[in-house]
Amino acid sequence: DTAVSQTPKYLVTQMGNDKSIKCEQNLGHDTMYWYKQDSKKFLKIMFSYNNKELIINETVPNRFSPKSPDKAHLNLHINSLELGDSAVYFCASSLGTSGYTGELFFGEGSRLTVL
Amino acid sequence: AQSVSQHNHHVILSEAASLELGCNYSYGGTVNLFWYVQYPGQHLQLLLKYFSGDPLVKGIKGFEAEFIKSKFSFNLRKPSVQWSDTAEYFCAVNKKLTGANNLFFGTGTRLTVIP
Repeated sequence: DTAVSQTPKYLVTQMGNDKSIKCEQNLGHDTMYWYKQDSKKFLKIMFSYNNKELIINETVPNRFSPKSPDKAHLNLHINSLELGDSAVYFCASSLGTSGYTGELFFGEGSRLTVL
Repeated sequence: AQSVSQHNHHVILSEAASLELGCNYSYGGTVNLFWYVQYPGQHLQLLLKYFSGDPLVKGIKGFEAEFIKSKFSFNLRKPSVQWSDTAEYFCAVNKKLTGANNLFFGTGTRLTVIP
């Protein structure tokens, strides 16, 4: 069973469109994250949710809106896509602040290409 | 601001050569330290981690890393690399006892092992 799963794996779309990426984890973790990996492989955190509550919101355009319906899911919705949004988006999860050890478990990534 | 530096951008080695990848961080407090590996087309996987205790930690696939607090370093080593070690390697740092579970990544080092 995949511990952290993301869909879709590949997404090609036109500028201006709205798209979503879904993430689910079956590890029983209560903290989930979205990371963006650019073309130079640099990984930067975008958002983090703990028990459905937003706890990290880095300087990300408000066209990006995360949604966590429950602690096992964290979806990423992107409005009005721009060329610069092309990247690989990784979902991750970890244990929460109590018993937190810092280890993140990553999904396989969703490669978004904006044309 | 906390930062993580990986000075080697791309390392090319022949099989059986020894490997050392540098990692330095800038945070002065107590930290957790990690090395993650990303094989071509795959998600990030944890190689090893340091929280406390013995500063020499052993990970999977024969990798080890040494935490040198005075140098703010956590270099990754392997005595004899294999072709299958070709991948991108990321050092990461997280502050202990913080309410924000934010893992800061270095920019990565690409390792190419020539058979």
